Amino acid sequence: AQSVTQLDSHVSVSEGTPVLLRCNYSSSYSPSLFWYVQHPNKGLQLLLKYTSAATLVKGINGFEAEFKKSETSFHLTKPSAHMSDAAEYFCVVIPYGGSQGNLIFGKGTKLSVKP
Amino acid sequence: EAQVTQNPRYLITVTGKKLTVTCSQNMNHEYMSWYRQDPGLGLRQIYYSMNVEVTDKGDVPEGYKVSRKEKRNFPLILESPSPNQTSLYFCASSYTRNSNQPQHFGDGTRLSIL
Repeated sequence: AQSVTQLDSHVSVSEGTPVLLRCNYSSSYSPSLFWYVQHPNKGLQLLLKYTSAATLVKGINGFEAEFKKSETSFHLTKPSAHMSDAAEYFCVVIPYGGSQGNLIFGKGTKLSVKP
Repeated sequence: EAQVTQNPRYLITVTGKKLTVTCSQNMNHEYMSWYRQDPGLGLRQIYYSMNVEVTDKGDVPEGYKVSRKEKRNFPLILESPSPNQTSLYFCASSYTRNSNQPQHFGDGTRLSIL
């Protein structure tokens, strides 16, 4: 079965330091991959997506992610954390050949940013 | 402004009392879906709709109903709510069913069933 694993349920960084949120997926072929962010009392907002174009994907608010097929990973990074980045982040996979009805969510990673 | 609107945002009710959570999008999106979010379980899909009059079960459809009579609206119906349906619910939509489309989410509805 297809799956997506977010390797950390909670990540804590200091403001101004790099952010790394890890995501691994299982899929026979290249899937569609997304990162969403959820701020408190809000719905999910798209950060970035990979759909078999460039393997390094740039998103909003300085975030980017690299699709590594050999490692089946799609880790989310940001060079310098800001207090406003504190939120929960979800890695989402749509398996190759699937549609929106086949969305698979990771369990989420809560990012805390210390002053 | 492009948005997905859910109502109500918060509701406390009792077991067995039918309720409906409305969802409306103003982006002319074909695809709409409902999710529930529970601690430690992430988001799970309840029902989805590829277009008007076309609905399908997601991963956790038991105890829920939906309808898609118009393109913009996709209400979630709990005919006889039970405490295990206490959760945070999200409606989402996307332009088409294609896998390269992002989903746009509403701000959520927090349901408490006593």
